[in-house]
Amino acid sequence: AQSVTQLDSQVPVFEEAPVELRCNYSSSVSVYLFWYVQYPNQGLQLLLKYLSGSTLVKGINGFEAEFNKSQTSFHLRKPSVHISDTAEYFCAVTLLRGSTLGRLYFGRGTQLTVWP
Amino acid sequence: ETGVTQSPTHLIKTRGQQVTLRCSSQSGHNTVSWYQQALGQGPQFIFQYYREEENGRGNFPPRFSGLQFPNYSSELNVNALELDDSALYLCASSTAGVSNYGYTFGSGTRLTVV
Repeated sequence: AQSVTQLDSQVPVFEEAPVELRCNYSSSVSVYLFWYVQYPNQGLQLLLKYLSGSTLVKGINGFEAEFNKSQTSFHLRKPSVHISDTAEYFCAVTLLRGSTLGRLYFGRGTQLTVWP
Repeated sequence: ETGVTQSPTHLIKTRGQQVTLRCSSQSGHNTVSWYQQALGQGPQFIFQYYREEENGRGNFPPRFSGLQFPNYSSELNVNALELDDSALYLCASSTAGVSNYGYTFGSGTRLTVV
């Protein structure tokens, strides 16, 4: 079975500082990886995804993530955060089952709080 | 793209009652999944439907059931509601197009059981 570990439950950072949100996964087979953002009282919005190809993936809002197969990690980074980036961030993993995507396995989430 | 729409947005039910939550998926998305997100937790997989058949289920009791319809809409039904069923319920749809692997989530239904 797959699992996802988000190593930090809360990450406080000042505006315009860089940030890294850490995600490690466990799986015996190839996986697809995702980062989602959730603003208060809202659903999940896809930030970026890794399916194959280049290990550096760029997403929306200036975020990027790097897939590291040897370390089974998929850390999310942003070089300069804004107050509007304050939200909960979820890392997730899934497999391709034939022609359909399997279930998503989510981490427990990381609350990013950006201070002025 | 029309996105994924869930209704209602909020709901309050009494313990023991039954509830039906609805989801309208993006056109062409033949896979729909439902997730339960308790407060302060990551979403937990309830079940998945592909072409109107259930093809995966998480660790949820049988009182959680679902349907998927030909028009890409779906339902989540929960019988005999318990206090612990209070959560945000998320619907997600996907298509298996090679360049489009990924799930689109709705904004969720906040269910409160009292």
